Amino acid sequence: EADIYQTPRYLVIGTGKKITLECSQTMGHDKMYWYQQDPGMELHLIHYSYGVNSTEKGDLSSESTVSRIRTEHFPLTLESARPSHTSQYLCASRWTDQETQYFGPGTRLLVL
Amino acid sequence: QKEVEQDPGPLSVPEGAIVSLNCTYSNSAFQYFMWYRQYSRKGPELLMYTYSSGNKEDGRFTAQVDKSSKYISLFIRDSQPSDSATYLCAMSFNNAGNMLTFGGGTRLMVKP
Repeated sequence: EADIYQTPRYLVIGTGKKITLECSQTMGHDKMYWYQQDPGMELHLIHYSYGVNSTEKGDLSSESTVSRIRTEHFPLTLESARPSHTSQYLCASRWTDQETQYFGPGTRLLVL
Repeated sequence: QKEVEQDPGPLSVPEGAIVSLNCTYSNSAFQYFMWYRQYSRKGPELLMYTYSSGNKEDGRFTAQVDKSSKYISLFIRDSQPSDSATYLCAMSFNNAGNMLTFGGGTRLMVKP
């Protein structure tokens, strides 16, 4: 079983606030990903990292930023939350030589 | 046109039924195929992983890939209410770090 954690699990916040969604994995995976998923909709890749100090934007444009200072940690930050950011955010990780990604439980964000 | 198409459902079946879930794709370069199960308000969990064409069985689950038709299937035998979830197919070109491309998911409901 994969050990990948996300906090908080649920967050309700007002417009304009800065928020950081945490993601940590204990498997030593080099690749990490952030996806956005609206209810009943497909996953959209918003950021990914191939290792420490490596970050790239994904297919879906996002106003969020990420950092990868440590292998196990891949936080996502929204400088100024807006209602349009309301969604579920899923973090995932994998080894380079494996195709399968392991997902965290997700953070459900509601911006009022 | 999406690269990976999946009927969103919902698919409702009685307990004990055989369930067939399917995805079609357009890019013949996909080589690795996965099925994820996602319970409500949780992250996706890997169910099955196959490489190239053929079948793979794991308990009540069978994954089938037909690359000539660009069609993959997941069969669930003796379906249980606990199988009620959204099933996502995913695929990638190779294991050297390419992204996963996800289908939109099929929602399955197994009624007691």
